[in-house]
Amino acid sequence: QKEVEQNSGPLSVPEGAIASLNCTYSDRGSQSFFWYRQYSGKSPELIMFIYSNGDKEDGRFTAQLNKASQYVSLLIRDSQPSDSATYLCAVLDAGGTSYGKLTFGQGTILTVHP
Amino acid sequence: EAGVAQSPRYKIIEKRQSVAFWCNPISGHATLYWYQQILGQGPKLLIQFQNNGVVDDSQLPKDRFSAERLKGVDSTLKIQPAKLEDSAVYLCASSFGTSSHNEQFFGPGTRLTVL
Repeated sequence: QKEVEQNSGPLSVPEGAIASLNCTYSDRGSQSFFWYRQYSGKSPELIMFIYSNGDKEDGRFTAQLNKASQYVSLLIRDSQPSDSATYLCAVLDAGGTSYGKLTFGQGTILTVHP
Repeated sequence: EAGVAQSPRYKIIEKRQSVAFWCNPISGHATLYWYQQILGQGPKLLIQFQNNGVVDDSQLPKDRFSAERLKGVDSTLKIQPAKLEDSAVYLCASSFGTSSHNEQFFGPGTRLTVL
C-alpha cells in the first residue's frame, strides 16, 4: 500500500508569515507530486504540481521536491487569512494499471490569524 | 467551461438502504474518478474510468459498491446496502487523460450521511 504522510496539524501562523507544509511518500518510483487546497465544505483545487528535484515558484507559493529523501513541501509566503484551508499532498502513480491514480495524504489544516 | 457536475449535493439515508450518486465530467475528459473522503482524511480513490472502461477499482468495496460509465460520459456510483461507515463526501473528478500533466478537476461532491 503506497503511503503519503503529511505533517500533523493544525498549523497556525500569523498573517504575513511563511507557512511550511511537509509531505513524505513511500513509493520511490513516484515522479509527479501535487498540492491541493480544500476550503471547508468545498472540493479540492490544484495549487501546484512539481516533477523535478528542487524548487518551483508560483506567486506566493513555492513547492520543493527532494526525491532522494522522498520529501515534498509547500511554502506559502506572506500568508493571508484567505489561505486558511486544508492542504492536501498527492502523489501520482505512474506505472502499471494504476496510471493516473492519485494517492492523497491526510491533509494539514492551516489557519492564518490576523 | 462548465465544471464537473454532481448530484445530489446532500443525502441522508438509514443503514441498509441503497443510494446512487451521479456525475457529469467536463466535456472532452476521458478519465473519470470517484473518491471517498471521510471527515478529517484525504480523498481515497474508489474507481477510475478511462472512457467507459475501468482502469482501477482496487479500493472499491465490491460487495456493496458499484459504478458504471456506460457511454463514456456521465457516471453513477451506487451503494447497496449502506453502512454507517459509508458516511463521507463522495467526490467525482475528471481529467483529459492520465499523464503526469493532466490536472484532475473535482466536482462539488455529495455529502452522504448514513443513520
